Amino acid sequence: AQSVSQHNHHVILSEAASLELGCNYSYGGTVNLFWYVQYPGQHLQLLLKYFSGDPLVKGIKGFEAEFIKSKFSFNLRKPSVQWSDTAEYFCAVMSRNTGGFKTIFGAGTRLFVKA
Amino acid sequence: GAVVSQHPSRVICKSGTSVKIECRSLDFQATTMFWYRQFPKKSLMLMATSNEGSKATYEQGVEKDKFLINHASLTLSTLTVTSAHPEDSSFYICSARGGSYNEQFFGPGTRLTVL
Repeated sequence: AQSVSQHNHHVILSEAASLELGCNYSYGGTVNLFWYVQYPGQHLQLLLKYFSGDPLVKGIKGFEAEFIKSKFSFNLRKPSVQWSDTAEYFCAVMSRNTGGFKTIFGAGTRLFVKA
Repeated sequence: GAVVSQHPSRVICKSGTSVKIECRSLDFQATTMFWYRQFPKKSLMLMATSNEGSKATYEQGVEKDKFLINHASLTLSTLTVTSAHPEDSSFYICSARGGSYNEQFFGPGTRLTVL
């Protein structure tokens, strides 16, 4: 069965620190990969996505992610976090099954950035 | 990106009543709509996938008779929580995919509280 694993449930960083959030998935077929962010009290927003091509994907707000097919990973990175990056981050994997497309989410990583 | 709306944003109801939540794609035709449930401080759990004009496909453990999904048009899907109980209290999020878009777009969510 398809699954998505996020390694860290809670991360606390100081401003200007570098961020890397891990995401691994299990699915043998073709996948599309996403990172979403959910700020407190708000709904999901797309940070970045990978469909094909360059495995290093750049998204909004200085975030990037690298798809490593051999490791089934799609880790999210940001060189220097800001207090406003405090939010919950979700990795998601979309695959095509017999019933059509389906997106599964990881458990989420709650990031707190100290000012 | 495309816009998905949900109505209502919040609903409080008595135990035993039924509640209907609407999900609309505002500027594209949603051939597929998804319903998720998010528990406090938890990730999104896919409940069901519906393709326009056909019956919804429910995930394992989701009661079909409890959570009725209708996707009668390319811009509207409804989720009806029948005979709601306090344990059904949660945040319900819909998303839609279709048109020229490969990704899913998420609605703002509906917070259901059952007293």
